[in-house]
Amino acid sequence: DQQVKQNSPSLSVQEGRISILNCDYTNSMFDYFLWYKKYPAEGPTFLISISSIKDKNEDGRFTVFLNKSAKHLSLHIVPSQPGDSAVYFCAASEGGATNKLIFGTGTLLAVQP
Amino acid sequence: DTAVSQTPKYLVTQMGNDKSIKCEQNLGHDTMYWYKQDSKKFLKIMFSYNNKELIINETVPNRFSPKSPDKAHLNLHINSLELGDSAVYFCASSQAGTGGIYGYTFGSGTRLTVV
Repeated sequence: DQQVKQNSPSLSVQEGRISILNCDYTNSMFDYFLWYKKYPAEGPTFLISISSIKDKNEDGRFTVFLNKSAKHLSLHIVPSQPGDSAVYFCAASEGGATNKLIFGTGTLLAVQP
Repeated sequence: DTAVSQTPKYLVTQMGNDKSIKCEQNLGHDTMYWYKQDSKKFLKIMFSYNNKELIINETVPNRFSPKSPDKAHLNLHINSLELGDSAVYFCASSQAGTGGIYGYTFGSGTRLTVV
């Protein structure tokens, strides 16, 4: 039973345009949501997070939006650059003593020059 | 100087063998994790240790046994390897209570292939 879902396995965007990556979740008790970026043969790298009590968090070219009523979050990358080409994982934190992160299956972003 | 380092990076072994994967972090974190990424690219938590104490133990076969000699190290030992154990195993670390805010720091992974 997947609690965090990324329904788009891949996305292709032109350089300079906006990339929008989407994620849905089922557990309303998650306290934080995170985005990770992963290059081939490397581990996932933390990008940005958002608290469940916020609806937006911005860090440079990366903005995460959270819609709690829809149980949906998205990552916007503006402008997209070829170096952004990677797999992006959405994750959710259960909080509490374990701080367990539950990951989606990832979306492969290809930014075309 | 790598923050979370795993060895080996690649491991090819025969069914039935026993193997270990080592993980070390130099970030001063007190919590470490093992994740498995299967052929469907699904990243699933296996174990977590906080200050050498097991705090997460997901539904994982008994053939998998984590060992944490100190808070900077978390090793994974796998007995009687099976074909289905083939996957990429990631070690990660975080400071307790901050995993949601700052995320985990992951190692580069160990690709295990069982033949």
